[in-house]
Amino acid sequence: ETGVTQTPRHLVMGMTNKKSLKCEQHLGHNAMYWYKQSAKKPLELMFVYNFKEQTENNSVPSRFSPECPNSSHLFLHLHTLQPEDSALYLCASTRGPDTDTQYFGPGTRLTVL
Amino acid sequence: GDSVTQMEGPVTLSEEAFLTINCTYTATGYPSLFWYVQYPGEGLQLLLKATKADDKGSNKGFEATYRKETTSFHLEKGSVQVSDSAVYFCALNEVSGGYNKLIFGAGTRLAVHP
Repeated sequence: ETGVTQTPRHLVMGMTNKKSLKCEQHLGHNAMYWYKQSAKKPLELMFVYNFKEQTENNSVPSRFSPECPNSSHLFLHLHTLQPEDSALYLCASTRGPDTDTQYFGPGTRLTVL
Repeated sequence: GDSVTQMEGPVTLSEEAFLTINCTYTATGYPSLFWYVQYPGEGLQLLLKATKADDKGSNKGFEATYRKETTSFHLEKGSVQVSDSAVYFCALNEVSGGYNKLIFGAGTRLAVHP
């Protein structure tokens, strides 16, 4: 069983759609992260959750809405996105907020038409 | 703020060639340093890490040494294989607000040909 899973792996949506990305970690970790990976840009940290509490919102537009119902699951709710939001969205987890090694999922490739 | 600079790619090598991917960083203090690898269509995988000066991280034939004096963490491999073709990311760990976050370089694409 892989450590961090993400679904769906690919998503195509229109600008008026509402969709959600899901991340699940099977490592017993307590901190989870959302990153955005765009072409030719460094990975951008979006959100950090520590023991289900959001501890970082890296100036992300409100059309991205995270949810962390428990320390194993993390969602990213999407609505009224723009074409420039097309990217690979990566989820990661760490054992705790004081642990520096992050484990990544395979990502969701999002295309906004 | 902290930052990581990697050599631009793509790096194209023949199989069994020697690989070096340069990485330098700017940071306050002495962060942990990482190399992550991303194979086509996949997420990032931790390749190796070093937590203090002069530490050498190694895995799968890859090595990198934490050089405080030159603020560098160059990735090396003595003999690359076609299966090493991927994008390699150098990163440092920054502690902010009581939690850790990774600062990544832009990534270097490696293409190895038979």
